[in-house]
Amino acid sequence: QSALTQPASVSGSPGQSITISCTGTSSDVGGYNFVSWYQQHPGKAPKLMIYDVTNRPSGISNRFSGSKSGNTASLTISGLQAEDEADYYCSSYTSSSTPVVFGGGTKVTVL
Amino acid sequence: EVQLVESGGGSVQPGGSLRLSCAASGFTFSNYGLGWVRQAPGKGLEWVSSIRHSGGTTHYADSVKGRFTISRDNSENTLYLQMSSLRAEDTAVYYCAKGNLPTGGTARGMDVWGQGTTVTVSS
Repeated sequence: QSALTQPASVSGSPGQSITISCTGTSSDVGGYNFVSWYQQHPGKAPKLMIYDVTNRPSGISNRFSGSKSGNTASLTISGLQAEDEADYYCSSYTSSSTPVVFGGGTKVTVL
Repeated sequence: EVQLVESGGGSVQPGGSLRLSCAASGFTFSNYGLGWVRQAPGKGLEWVSSIRHSGGTTHYADSVKGRFTISRDNSENTLYLQMSSLRAEDTAVYYCAKGNLPTGGTARGMDVWGQGTTVTVSS
């Protein structure tokens, strides 16, 4: 199962909005509303930021939002803050024999 | 506090075996699917395996199928990953994680993660 495609890096200035894309196929991202996004700071465990494309777990800032169009899901971070600098990974349910696939990760830099 | 604590990592020679454990607390263990996700040094996340809340359904990444076995003991609130025929490419930090929604698996998000345990496969 091929990994989902994410840009290697995205950057923005404090207060700006940035969007990270996550491209898959009709067998994963495009076929199901089961896309999740994770934030990972260096040396730390991943943290769930978005599930089921658009839903935020309790305690996650509403500056983080998710969406999907066709085979591409997106994570938007608005009002960018220094603490948002981290790696971000998307994942999706997939109809292949392995039910979960991750993206390659995107490094977000706050300028 | 909802918590997952992994143990059992270490250094092993190629072809060897290890058993990882993940002790859970703070939630109704038997209601949730669980999984293992690994991260090789400097690399991204790789889903490894998952098990449904009842333990009756398991899934594996192609890269570990036939070598790794996931299991759970709902009476002991513990998740396991038995790893055999280990290869250098299995070297990684292994995280256990809890499925976000009750009675589901891990495909709809994993909301609680352990701190990770390091597995190093080297001669």
